[in-house]
Amino acid sequence: DTAVSQTPKYLVTQMGNDKSIKCEQNLGHDTMYWYKQDSKKFLKIMFSYNNKELIINETVPNRFSPKSPDKAHLNLHINSLELGDSAVYFCASSRLPGTPAWETQYFGPGTRLLVL
Amino acid sequence: SQQGEEDPQALSIQEGENATMNCSYKTSINNLQWYRQNSGRGLVHLILIRSNEREKHSGRLRVTLDTSKKSSSLLITASRAADTASYFCATDDGNKLVFGAGTILRVKS
Repeated sequence: DTAVSQTPKYLVTQMGNDKSIKCEQNLGHDTMYWYKQDSKKFLKIMFSYNNKELIINETVPNRFSPKSPDKAHLNLHINSLELGDSAVYFCASSRLPGTPAWETQYFGPGTRLLVL
Repeated sequence: SQQGEEDPQALSIQEGENATMNCSYKTSINNLQWYRQNSGRGLVHLILIRSNEREKHSGRLRVTLDTSKKSSSLLITASRAADTASYFCATDDGNKLVFGAGTILRVKS
């Protein structure tokens, strides 16, 4: 009965490969997010989807492509992985329908990506 | 852009002592939130304080907000070893949250 789950938990891959991370939430939220946390623990938003619609797209290389098949799922596909993509990627969700977008967010456990 | 900045960057205390962390931000906000991150885990929401509130309590946590100084503090009383974690403040910036760089708290038993 995990609220926000991500797979895989760990991902080790070679430079140039393409990989995907999946996220699912069972909280009934209609907004989901991808964050990147670097080695200094700085957490930065990458994307946000509201009801399958992209609403936030920060300055992220277009090698990163999010996809939301339904409002409970948000996946992140990364093409041509680079060394600098090594980080922890967190999925989060928030916003029961009708509440502001800046309310409490619920985070997944993270995916630790290491690009060699 | 980074909105919230925590201070200190790291804090080490003995079990039973109080821990105080501060957060400063730059622009007007609707609310400010504090999150905890245990090592190797995701962030967990601790407390949310709205811009029209000055103080809020939740168990051993006390949060204050001073909108005139654009600052907030998180006080953890009677700390425990299990409180060892990174603590982040987050403020709203349009339709998203912006997180500070965090304070690493270590509680020694």
